[in-house]
Amino acid sequence: DTEVTQTPKHLVMGMTNKKSLKCEQHMGHRAMYWYKQKAKKPPELMFVYSYEKLSINESVPSRFSPECPNSSLLNLHLHALQPEDSALYLCASSQDQGNKEKLFFGSGTQLSVL
Amino acid sequence: SQQGEEDPQALSIQEGENATMNCSYKTSINNLQWYRQNSGRGLVHLILIRSNEREKHSGRLRVTLDTSKKSSSLLITASRAADTASYFCAARGTYSGAGSYQLTFGKGTKLSVIP
Repeated sequence: DTEVTQTPKHLVMGMTNKKSLKCEQHMGHRAMYWYKQKAKKPPELMFVYSYEKLSINESVPSRFSPECPNSSLLNLHLHALQPEDSALYLCASSQDQGNKEKLFFGSGTQLSVL
Repeated sequence: SQQGEEDPQALSIQEGENATMNCSYKTSINNLQWYRQNSGRGLVHLILIRSNEREKHSGRLRVTLDTSKKSSSLLITASRAADTASYFCAARGTYSGAGSYQLTFGKGTKLSVIP
């Protein structure tokens, strides 16, 4: 099984809502990532978890809160988002954070903030 | 910044033709990777070339790396309509502290293959 599964595929939320994005992988990978991708732009790294510990936070606003409940799951909790946060949110995983590792991506959650 | 810059930004070719995309980066790398993204979907890893390699092949893909010019190219031979997608290079930096060796993606080339 070489899949990274993200839910939901689409999400529309108001600026006062609280929602969560979910990501799951069963490849035994120990590094998991959240990326944000605006239309016609490259993915931008938000967070990296390595062995279930947050190792990288790329100065992301606190309205985005990541959580790694176990080695297979990664959540992104959303609260009080702004319209400019509308984007495709991609989860990825890799064997670990080693420099030879390639990333396996999920299909993403297309988020619209109204 | 390690960010790669792809060239061209968009490329339109006929089915059966070859497609060449170029990528430049700014600092030392450990490896350079190419990914493909269909519209609105996740990225799929295509090929990885290490800093001590000059050329690598995988099926219809050929990647070259010139570390003296800090550039790489991806060649897709005998293109098919199904190759229509955006292609991103991603540079893996050399380690110099936490986070420094994360993958940094270039802006991408949007390839359209016309049947």
